Amino acid sequence: GAVVSQHPSRVICKSGTSVKIECRSLDFQATTMFWYRQFPKQSLMLMATSNEGSKATYEQGVEKDKFLINHASLTLSTLTVTSAHPEDSSFYICSAGVAGRSTDTQYFGPGTRLTVL
Amino acid sequence: KQEVTQIPAALSVPEGENLVLNCSFTDSAIYNLQWFRQDPGKGLTSLLLIQSSQREQTSGRLNASLDKSSGRSTLYIAASQPGDSATYLCAVRTGRRALTFGSGTRLQVQP
Repeated sequence: GAVVSQHPSRVICKSGTSVKIECRSLDFQATTMFWYRQFPKQSLMLMATSNEGSKATYEQGVEKDKFLINHASLTLSTLTVTSAHPEDSSFYICSAGVAGRSTDTQYFGPGTRLTVL
Repeated sequence: KQEVTQIPAALSVPEGENLVLNCSFTDSAIYNLQWFRQDPGKGLTSLLLIQSSQREQTSGRLNASLDKSSGRSTLYIAASQPGDSATYLCAVRTGRRALTFGSGTRLQVQP
């Protein structure tokens, strides 16, 4: 089956620093990738939709200047949390849509746990 | 705006019991509905995907049904096992490709 990886799986950083999270589709090309955020004991909330070669579409309430998304290739999207603060601590999960699949299945990465001190 | 609700929020059952998890959604114009499993601190594992034209899907001890007109889906787990303990998430896809998730049902199966 299609595999999506995320790196790092866990990161702890100081307040004010920037953190980059990578999402890769390992054995397929993904024209669209999605970034979700999950706070403790809550469900996943969509942050942004990323299409290869174009600007990401952000959900209402998500600061595009704080959460920088780059989708430079069909197998890689990155999320950079700039000037991270403790309230940004969360579980970030990406998913990748398979190009050309009629069922339009999304494959999810294993997630990245971000802790901002 | 699509909203997805899952009931119950938490469930504890003894091993061997059959159980039903419920999911409801407000906008019936969906493309598909998917059930996921999430273990603590982990990512998502897709369990079943039901297209809007389908009524149910089965995989092993799992059976998911979909009643699109009433905005409901159920996940039936037969002969539950301690290894089934996890959070189960329901998600729907509407016009855009991103998924809208419910808040999940935390299942604990007691040995």
